[in-house]
Amino acid sequence: NAGVTQTPKFRVLKTGQSMTLLCAQDMNHEYMYWYRQDPGMGLRLIHYSVGEGTTAKGEVPDGYNVSRLKKQNFLLGLESAAPSQTSVYFCASSYSVGVLFFGSGTQLSVL
Amino acid sequence: GQNIDQPTEMTATEGAIVQINCTYQTSGFNGLFWYQQHAGEAPTFLSYNVLDGLEEKGRFSSFLSRSKGYSYLLLKELQMKDSASYLCAVRDRVVNSGNTPLVFGKGTRLSVIA
Repeated sequence: NAGVTQTPKFRVLKTGQSMTLLCAQDMNHEYMYWYRQDPGMGLRLIHYSVGEGTTAKGEVPDGYNVSRLKKQNFLLGLESAAPSQTSVYFCASSYSVGVLFFGSGTQLSVL
Repeated sequence: GQNIDQPTEMTATEGAIVQINCTYQTSGFNGLFWYQQHAGEAPTFLSYNVLDGLEEKGRFSSFLSRSKGYSYLLLKELQMKDSASYLCAVRDRVVNSGNTPLVFGKGTRLSVIA
Protein backbone atom coordinates (compact mmCIF):
# COMPACT_ATOMS: atom_id res chain seq x y z
CA ASN A 1 0.00 0.00 0.00
CA ALA A 2 1.33 3.39 -1.01
CA GLY A 3 -1.12 5.31 1.23
CA VAL A 4 -1.45 8.92 0.04
CA THR A 5 0.73 9.95 -2.89
CA GLN A 6 1.20 13.53 -4.02
CA THR A 7 2.77 14.70 -7.23
CA PRO A 8 4.86 16.66 -7.90
CA LYS A 9 7.10 16.98 -4.81
CA PHE A 10 8.60 20.28 -5.90
CA ARG A 11 7.54 22.93 -8.39
CA VAL A 12 8.58 26.45 -9.31
CA LEU A 13 6.09 28.64 -11.16
CA LYS A 14 6.12 32.13 -12.53
CA THR A 15 3.35 34.50 -11.53
CA GLY A 16 0.30 33.91 -13.69
CA GLN A 17 1.12 30.33 -14.64
CA SER A 18 -1.26 27.51 -13.90
CA MET A 19 -0.70 24.05 -12.51
CA THR A 20 -2.46 21.04 -11.03
CA LEU A 21 -1.40 19.07 -7.97
CA LEU A 22 -2.47 15.46 -7.94
CA CYS A 23 -3.34 13.46 -4.84
CA ALA A 24 -4.05 9.74 -4.98
CA GLN A 25 -4.99 7.40 -2.14
CA ASP A 26 -5.32 3.63 -2.18
CA MET A 27 -7.10 3.18 1.18
CA ASN A 28 -10.65 3.54 -0.19
CA HIS A 29 -11.22 6.62 1.96
CA GLU A 30 -14.32 8.70 1.37
CA TYR A 31 -12.86 11.97 2.62
CA MET A 32 -9.99 13.90 1.11
CA TYR A 33 -8.48 17.29 1.94
CA TRP A 34 -6.01 19.86 0.71
CA TYR A 35 -4.10 21.91 3.31
CA ARG A 36 -1.39 24.49 2.95
CA GLN A 37 1.29 25.05 5.58
CA ASP A 38 3.14 28.31 5.99
CA PRO A 39 5.67 29.29 8.67
CA GLY A 40 3.88 30.63 11.72
CA MET A 41 0.45 29.87 10.26
CA GLY A 42 0.05 26.17 10.79
CA LEU A 43 -2.02 23.93 8.55
CA ARG A 44 -4.93 25.69 6.87
CA LEU A 45 -7.68 23.90 4.96
CA ILE A 46 -8.11 24.94 1.34
CA HIS A 47 -10.81 22.59 0.04
CA TYR A 48 -12.11 19.18 0.96
CA SER A 49 -14.34 16.42 -0.35
CA VAL A 50 -16.68 14.07 1.49
CA GLY A 51 -17.07 11.71 -1.45
CA GLU A 52 -16.66 11.19 -5.16
CA GLY A 53 -18.13 14.08 -7.12
CA THR A 54 -18.37 16.41 -4.11
CA THR A 55 -16.19 19.32 -3.02
CA ALA A 56 -16.45 22.03 -0.39
CA LYS A 57 -14.55 25.17 0.56
CA GLY A 58 -12.28 25.31 3.55
CA GLU A 59 -10.71 28.22 5.37
CA VAL A 60 -8.59 29.63 2.50
CA PRO A 61 -10.16 28.59 -0.84
CA ASP A 62 -9.55 31.74 -2.90
CA GLY A 63 -7.31 31.21 -5.93
CA TYR A 64 -7.74 27.44 -5.90
CA ASN A 65 -10.11 24.95 -7.51
CA VAL A 66 -10.52 21.24 -6.88
CA SER A 67 -12.10 18.21 -8.48
CA ARG A 68 -12.92 14.72 -7.25
CA LEU A 69 -13.96 12.82 -10.35
CA LYS A 70 -12.74 9.51 -8.97
CA LYS A 71 -12.86 8.39 -5.36
CA GLN A 72 -9.15 7.78 -5.17
CA ASN A 73 -8.04 11.09 -6.68
CA PHE A 74 -8.32 14.70 -5.50
CA LEU A 75 -6.87 17.40 -7.73
CA LEU A 76 -5.92 20.92 -6.65
CA GLY A 77 -5.65 23.55 -9.37
CA LEU A 78 -4.08 26.98 -9.42
CA GLU A 79 -5.42 28.89 -12.42
CA SER A 80 -3.18 31.94 -12.12
CA ALA A 81 -0.42 31.49 -9.56
CA ALA A 82 0.53 34.36 -7.24
CA PRO A 83 3.56 34.73 -4.94
CA SER A 84 1.18 34.48 -1.95
CA GLN A 85 0.56 30.88 -2.97
CA THR A 86 4.16 29.93 -2.25
CA SER A 87 3.71 27.26 0.39
CA VAL A 88 3.93 23.58 1.24
CA TYR A 89 0.77 21.77 0.19
CA PHE A 90 -0.41 18.63 1.92
CA CYS A 91 -3.11 16.30 0.75
CA ALA A 92 -4.79 14.02 3.27
CA SER A 93 -7.49 11.39 3.37
CA SER A 94 -9.56 9.82 6.12
CA TYR A 95 -12.27 7.24 6.70
CA SER A 96 -13.69 8.71 9.88
CA VAL A 97 -13.32 10.79 13.00
CA GLY A 98 -10.34 12.88 12.12
CA VAL A 99 -7.50 10.42 11.80
CA LEU A 100 -5.95 11.91 8.72
CA PHE A 101 -3.35 10.23 6.58
CA PHE A 102 -1.14 12.78 4.90
CA GLY A 103 0.84 12.73 1.70
CA SER A 104 4.50 13.75 1.77
CA GLY A 105 3.79 17.29 0.61
CA THR A 106 4.49 19.52 -2.37
CA GLN A 107 6.86 22.47 -2.06
CA LEU A 108 5.57 25.17 -4.41
CA SER A 109 7.40 28.41 -5.12
CA VAL A 110 5.78 31.17 -7.17
CA LEU A 111 8.21 33.78 -8.43
CA GLY B 1 -15.34 30.19 14.31
CA GLN B 2 -12.57 28.33 16.03
CA ASN B 3 -9.53 29.53 17.93
CA ILE B 4 -6.79 27.11 18.94
CA ASP B 5 -3.80 28.22 20.98
CA GLN B 6 -0.60 26.39 21.82
CA PRO B 7 2.91 27.57 22.68
CA THR B 8 5.16 28.27 19.73
CA GLU B 9 8.31 26.60 21.03
CA MET B 10 9.47 24.46 23.94
CA THR B 11 12.78 22.94 24.95
CA ALA B 12 13.24 19.91 27.17
CA THR B 13 16.04 17.58 28.23
CA GLU B 14 16.48 14.01 27.07
CA GLY B 15 14.91 11.60 29.57
CA ALA B 16 12.64 14.26 31.06
CA ILE B 17 8.87 14.79 30.87
CA VAL B 18 7.28 17.62 28.89
CA GLN B 19 3.69 18.84 28.75
CA ILE B 20 2.41 20.69 25.69
CA ASN B 21 -0.80 22.61 26.31
CA CYS B 22 -3.59 23.43 23.91
CA THR B 23 -6.61 25.63 24.52
CA TYR B 24 -9.50 25.97 22.14
CA GLN B 25 -12.68 27.92 21.60
CA THR B 26 -15.17 26.38 19.19
CA SER B 27 -18.86 26.73 18.46
CA GLY B 28 -19.21 22.98 18.93
CA PHE B 29 -16.92 20.10 19.78
CA ASN B 30 -16.53 16.59 18.48
CA GLY B 31 -12.99 15.60 19.31
CA LEU B 32 -9.45 16.83 19.84
CA PHE B 33 -6.47 15.35 18.05
CA TRP B 34 -2.70 15.52 18.39
CA TYR B 35 -0.36 15.08 15.46
CA GLN B 36 3.43 14.90 15.30
CA GLN B 37 5.36 16.48 12.46
CA HIS B 38 9.11 16.10 12.01
CA ALA B 39 10.84 18.83 10.05
CA GLY B 40 10.33 18.42 6.32
CA GLU B 41 7.85 15.58 6.76
CA ALA B 42 4.09 15.09 6.82
CA PRO B 43 2.08 15.13 10.06
CA THR B 44 1.26 11.76 11.60
CA PHE B 45 -1.58 10.96 14.01
CA LEU B 46 -0.70 10.57 17.69
CA SER B 47 -3.87 10.61 19.77
CA TYR B 48 -7.55 11.41 19.96
CA ASN B 49 -9.77 12.55 22.86
CA VAL B 50 -13.49 13.05 22.70
CA LEU B 51 -14.37 12.48 26.37
CA ASP B 52 -12.82 14.11 29.43
CA GLY B 53 -9.82 12.39 30.89
CA LEU B 54 -6.48 10.89 30.08
CA GLU B 55 -5.66 8.65 27.13
CA GLU B 56 -2.35 6.81 27.44
CA LYS B 57 -0.40 5.33 24.58
CA GLY B 58 3.09 4.24 25.53
CA ARG B 59 5.31 7.22 26.32
CA PHE B 60 2.63 9.62 25.07
CA SER B 61 -0.55 10.62 26.90
CA SER B 62 -3.23 13.15 26.04
CA PHE B 63 -5.68 14.81 28.41
CA LEU B 64 -8.92 16.62 27.70
CA SER B 65 -11.19 18.89 29.73
CA ARG B 66 -14.16 19.91 27.59
CA SER B 67 -15.56 22.32 30.18
CA LYS B 68 -12.27 24.23 30.22
CA GLY B 69 -11.58 23.95 26.49
CA TYR B 70 -8.18 22.53 27.37
CA SER B 71 -5.97 19.65 26.39
CA TYR B 72 -2.37 18.67 26.91
CA LEU B 73 0.02 16.19 25.38
CA LEU B 74 2.42 14.58 27.83
CA LEU B 75 5.65 13.06 26.58
CA LYS B 76 7.62 10.90 29.01
CA GLU B 77 11.21 9.64 28.87
CA LEU B 78 12.03 12.09 26.13
CA GLN B 79 14.26 10.93 23.32
CA MET B 80 16.13 12.98 20.75
CA LYS B 81 13.81 11.63 18.05
CA ASP B 82 10.88 13.35 19.80
CA SER B 83 12.20 16.68 18.51
CA ALA B 84 9.36 17.71 16.23
CA SER B 85 6.34 19.97 15.97
CA TYR B 86 3.22 18.87 17.79
CA LEU B 87 -0.08 19.99 16.29
CA CYS B 88 -3.31 20.28 18.22
CA ALA B 89 -6.44 19.96 16.06
CA VAL B 90 -10.13 20.22 16.85
CA ARG B 91 -13.14 18.76 15.10
CA ASP B 92 -16.23 20.87 15.31
CA ARG B 93 -19.57 19.18 15.87
CA VAL B 94 -20.67 17.00 13.00
CA VAL B 95 -22.87 18.83 10.53
CA ASN B 96 -25.29 16.94 8.31
CA SER B 97 -23.70 13.67 9.42
CA GLY B 98 -20.65 14.59 7.38
CA ASN B 99 -17.05 14.42 8.36
CA THR B 100 -16.31 17.90 9.63
CA PRO B 101 -12.74 18.79 8.73
CA LEU B 102 -10.16 19.33 11.42
CA VAL B 103 -8.94 22.80 12.30
CA PHE B 104 -5.30 22.86 13.34
CA GLY B 105 -3.45 25.05 15.78
CA LYS B 106 -0.17 26.58 14.69
CA GLY B 107 1.86 23.86 16.32
CA THR B 108 4.47 23.69 19.09
CA ARG B 109 8.06 23.08 18.05
CA LEU B 110 9.74 20.88 20.66
CA SER B 111 13.50 20.66 20.87
CA VAL B 112 14.97 17.83 22.94
CA ILE B 113 18.50 18.54 24.10
CA ALA B 114 21.09 16.26 25.68
